[in-house]
Amino acid sequence: EIVLTQSPGTLSLSPGERATLSCRASQSVTSTYLAWYQQKPGQAPRLLIYGASSRATGIPDRFSGSASGTDFTLTISRLEPEDFAVYYCHRYGSSFTFGGGTKVEI
Amino acid sequence: QVQLVQSGAEVKKPGASVKVSCKTSGYSFTGYYMHWVRQAPGQGLEWMGWINSNSGDTNYAQNFQGRVTLTRDTSISTAYMEVTRLRHDDTAVYYCARECGGICYALDIWGQGTLVTVSS
Repeated sequence: EIVLTQSPGTLSLSPGERATLSCRASQSVTSTYLAWYQQKPGQAPRLLIYGASSRATGIPDRFSGSASGTDFTLTISRLEPEDFAVYYCHRYGSSFTFGGGTKVEI
Repeated sequence: QVQLVQSGAEVKKPGASVKVSCKTSGYSFTGYYMHWVRQAPGQGLEWMGWINSNSGDTNYAQNFQGRVTLTRDTSISTAYMEVTRLRHDDTAVYYCARECGGICYALDIWGQGTLVTVSS
């Protein structure tokens, strides 16, 4: 079973700063099948990125995704106050897998 | 607009069953797979399984096989998730989520979540 490991567990930053979140797969993962979600307290997750680098509908362009081998990265170029949340990576497949999450806090 | 509206919170005793509904609107129900994901208090997301809303075919995560049943009623565009033999550690928010289809291999629309509390 493929395991997705997200790091860091918590990222402490200020508005306007750049956030770089990592998701490492234990085995090869086709980029097409890697997505990122944002979840705020008390809310359902929201799809940000699919196919490792394609923004979902309505997602601002400060969010970007990239892939290199088994390493996937979500970058928020300039943090807005509403971006402080928990972010999960997710692998689509015969058995879907979520990473453990990264909390971006002020 | 596309919406998934889930049934309300439930409190159940250990050993009981719970059935959560997910009523959809704004899109062709049978054209998309529906997934179920749960989140225990303060924890991450855990995928439970999916149902092909057209055929009714299902696929379950290994952890839930034999205890979770996904069904749907196409006449009312609603998906259901039933968990039997509830345990205390089944206390969680349960979400339904639509798989976006096409080249988008992800979950693009989510229900608001249903809190299931298992307590004796």
